[in-house]
Amino acid sequence: SQKIEQNSEALNIQEGKTATLTCNYTNYSPAYLQWYRQDPGRGPVFLLLIRENEKEKRKERLKVTFDTTLKQSLFHITASQPADSATYLCALERSGGYQKVTFGTGTKLQVIP
Amino acid sequence: DTAVSQTPKYLVTQMGNDKSIKCEQNLGHDTMYWYKQDSKKFLKIMFSYNNKELIINETVPNRFSPKSPDKAHLNLHINSLELGDSAVYFCAAGNTGELFFGEGSRLTVL
Repeated sequence: SQKIEQNSEALNIQEGKTATLTCNYTNYSPAYLQWYRQDPGRGPVFLLLIRENEKEKRKERLKVTFDTTLKQSLFHITASQPADSATYLCALERSGGYQKVTFGTGTKLQVIP
Repeated sequence: DTAVSQTPKYLVTQMGNDKSIKCEQNLGHDTMYWYKQDSKKFLKIMFSYNNKELIINETVPNRFSPKSPDKAHLNLHINSLELGDSAVYFCAAGNTGELFFGEGSRLTVL
């Protein structure tokens, strides 16, 4: 069966360090991999998308890598700040224009001042 | 203007009742979704509509009936509510590549 797993339920890091979150998937052929941020009591907010033929994408302090051989994406936040504390969700959309976006289990990031 | 808005934000009701949640988007996207987020924060897709047509139904009990009167609206009606229906329900809109979510409707069944 298809699975999307984010390795850590929770991750604590010191302010200023780089946070690295992992998303692994099995039995899936995604066309797109997306990362979202969710704050308590709010809906998820889109951050970045990376396509199956792209290796890396950057946006300000965020960087996403996508390895379709390893079936893994890494999400990095450099120079992390307490305001980055939130739950981060990866999501996959499969090939074929089916438009079904499936979410991973989420990682709760806490940046400690 | 809120891109995806859903009402009500909170719903508290008794088992066996029927309730509805409404969703509206002003982004002009063709596809709208309902997701359920349980107490463990896992976000699970329930339904997807494309231009008023149902395209995804993820083996949700038929007590749940989505309705899309037009491209900008997707409502969710739930009959005979059960304790296990307690969750946060999120509406989303988007075309390929990016979803825009509403703020969620927290349903509590007593």
